[in-house]
Amino acid sequence: AQSVAQPEDQVNVAEGNPLTVKCTYSVSGNPYLFWYVQYPNRGLQFLLKYITGDNLVKGSYGFEAEFNKSQTSFHLKKPSALVSDSALYFCAVRDIGSGGYNKLIFGAGTRLAVHP
Amino acid sequence: GAVVSQHPSRVICKSGTSVKIECRSLDFQATTMFWYRQFPKQSLMLMATSNEGSKATYEQGVEKDKFLINHASLTLSTLTVTSAHPEDSSFYICSALKQGPYGYTFGSGTRLTVV
Repeated sequence: AQSVAQPEDQVNVAEGNPLTVKCTYSVSGNPYLFWYVQYPNRGLQFLLKYITGDNLVKGSYGFEAEFNKSQTSFHLKKPSALVSDSALYFCAVRDIGSGGYNKLIFGAGTRLAVHP
Repeated sequence: GAVVSQHPSRVICKSGTSVKIECRSLDFQATTMFWYRQFPKQSLMLMATSNEGSKATYEQGVEKDKFLINHASLTLSTLTVTSAHPEDSSFYICSALKQGPYGYTFGSGTRLTVV
């Protein structure tokens, strides 16, 4: 089965500094990877995805992620963090369910705290 | 665009009653929808995959008779928590799969509190 791991429960960064939220994956075949952000008591908002193509994927709100096949990683990055980026971030991988449907498997989540 | 509306956003019910949560795709047809459950400060756990016109596929450990899923149309899936108990209190999120390159869109979630 496909899986993703987010090794950090929380990441703290000062406003204006670059941020990285880590994700590693374990898949059979080609990975389809996603990043989502969740604000309190809200659903998930799509940030970006990697299906194929360039290893550097640019997404919403200035976020980007780098797909690294040799390290099986898909870390989320932003050059300059904003206080408003503080939220819960999830990495996800597509998997095929028992019924043959595509489904998303989520990592444990990483809480990003950006301090003024 | 791809918008998914989930209703209600919050619900409080008495133990033993049933609660229905609706998930609607507003501007696209979704043959497949997903229901997730999220405990505080934890990840999303897939409960079931809902496919229009057929029975839902439940994940291992999820009680089918307790969490009834109906996907009667291409734009609506419902999750009914039957005979709710305090341990069912949680944040429930739906997701709809839009045709195209893996377009998953999420609802805004429903916070269920069973008292």
